[in-house]
Amino acid sequence: AQSVTQLDSHVSVSEGTPVLLRCNYSSSYSPSLFWYVQHPNKGLQLLLKYTSAATLVKGINGFEAEFKKSETSFHLTKPSAHMSDAAEYFCVVRNYGGSQGNLIFGKGTKLSVKP
Amino acid sequence: GAGVSQSPRYKVTKRGQDVALRCDPISGHVSLYWYRQALGQGPEFLTYFNYEAQQDKSGLPNDRFSAERPEGSISTLTIQRTEQRDSAMYRCASTSQASGRDEQFFGPGTRLTVL
Repeated sequence: AQSVTQLDSHVSVSEGTPVLLRCNYSSSYSPSLFWYVQHPNKGLQLLLKYTSAATLVKGINGFEAEFKKSETSFHLTKPSAHMSDAAEYFCVVRNYGGSQGNLIFGKGTKLSVKP
Repeated sequence: GAGVSQSPRYKVTKRGQDVALRCDPISGHVSLYWYRQALGQGPEFLTYFNYEAQQDKSGLPNDRFSAERPEGSISTLTIQRTEQRDSAMYRCASTSQASGRDEQFFGPGTRLTVL
């Protein structure tokens, strides 16, 4: 079975400082991992995905994530936070079990950005 | 349309009433997924379709929940005899192929409130 654990429910940073959102995964298979972002009153948007190619994955809006098998982690980072980054972020693993392709979400991390 | 649309965006109903939530996927997309997101949680899988065939409904919480996609395009999620615990955001997503390996594009969701 696959699962993801987001280690922080809320992260607060100042504008211009680095962002780190932590995620650990559990998977019986070589996992497909994603980060989605959810802005208020909007749908979920894919930030980036890892599918067993390069371990360092670059996404939109300057975000990137590194797949570390030894640590079973897939943390999301950004060098410099912008006010527009304030949103909820979900770490996601694809389920290769009974239901083909459905996504398994973490509980989310709410990112606040202070001016 | 350009993206996945859902209607209504907000639905308030009284306990015991039936509700129908609609999802219109991206034109030509083969697979359609339904998820439910409780407050403070990540989305959880409910059911999915390839074309008009319901492939997996293991995530539906009980027999009050049903879904259909009769022509392989628009899908309806129906909840009968609603209860307060059904209050949540209901999201649908579509993918271009049935392989389960493609990006899922999410709609804005329907916020259901059961009084």
